Amino acid sequence: GAGVSQSPSNKVTEKGKDVELRCDPISGHTALYWYRQSLGQGLEFLIYFQGNSAPDKSGLPSDRFSAERTGGSVSTLTIQRTQQEDSAVYLCASSFGVIDSEQYFGPGTRLTVT
Amino acid sequence: GNSVTQMEGPVTLSEEAFLTINCTYTATGYPSLFWYVQYPGEGLQLLLKATKADDKGSNKGFEATYRKETTSFHLEKGSVQVSDSAVYFCALVNGGSQGNLIFGKGTKLSVKP
Repeated sequence: GAGVSQSPSNKVTEKGKDVELRCDPISGHTALYWYRQSLGQGLEFLIYFQGNSAPDKSGLPSDRFSAERTGGSVSTLTIQRTQQEDSAVYLCASSFGVIDSEQYFGPGTRLTVT
Repeated sequence: GNSVTQMEGPVTLSEEAFLTINCTYTATGYPSLFWYVQYPGEGLQLLLKATKADDKGSNKGFEATYRKETTSFHLEKGSVQVSDSAVYFCALVNGGSQGNLIFGKGTKLSVKP
């Protein structure tokens, strides 16, 4: 079956612009996670959705970052006024449950801020 | 807070060599532990997991045993192949209700023929 998909696969943007990253989870997976992979910081957790609800947004690096999920399916991560330090690979994962459920990762969106 | 420490790479081995990648963790309680693998140009994939102390996870010839006495989850394989060349990440499930993963920094393995 279809796995987790993300779009775009690559995004180059100028500093100060807004970007929107999309994640399509596996159908039926209620939990959705966003992570960021960068050379300096490794893999960092950003935010988690159970259904459409994100109970804890404290993992987001700054208030320029926001995320939403609609219909218990697609999620978008928006970065406003991008900075060079936002350059990273943004990974989305979904799972059927929460604790101890395998997380299936998408291929990621490589964001480059120039 | 919870954290994972794994050996720095890169690790370069010849085909059929024995592999160990060390991983230790700091956590409240006994969280599930995972090894994820990222092959060149591909996304993260679960390699194996263990959900309680003394459990052994295994897959594709790789093994790791959940050792609570030493808070470790070392990855081993008896005979590596060129196709095992990848970046390996040790991870644990964070406490609380979110179930997010906390990852180590990753260890790049290169296997030469």
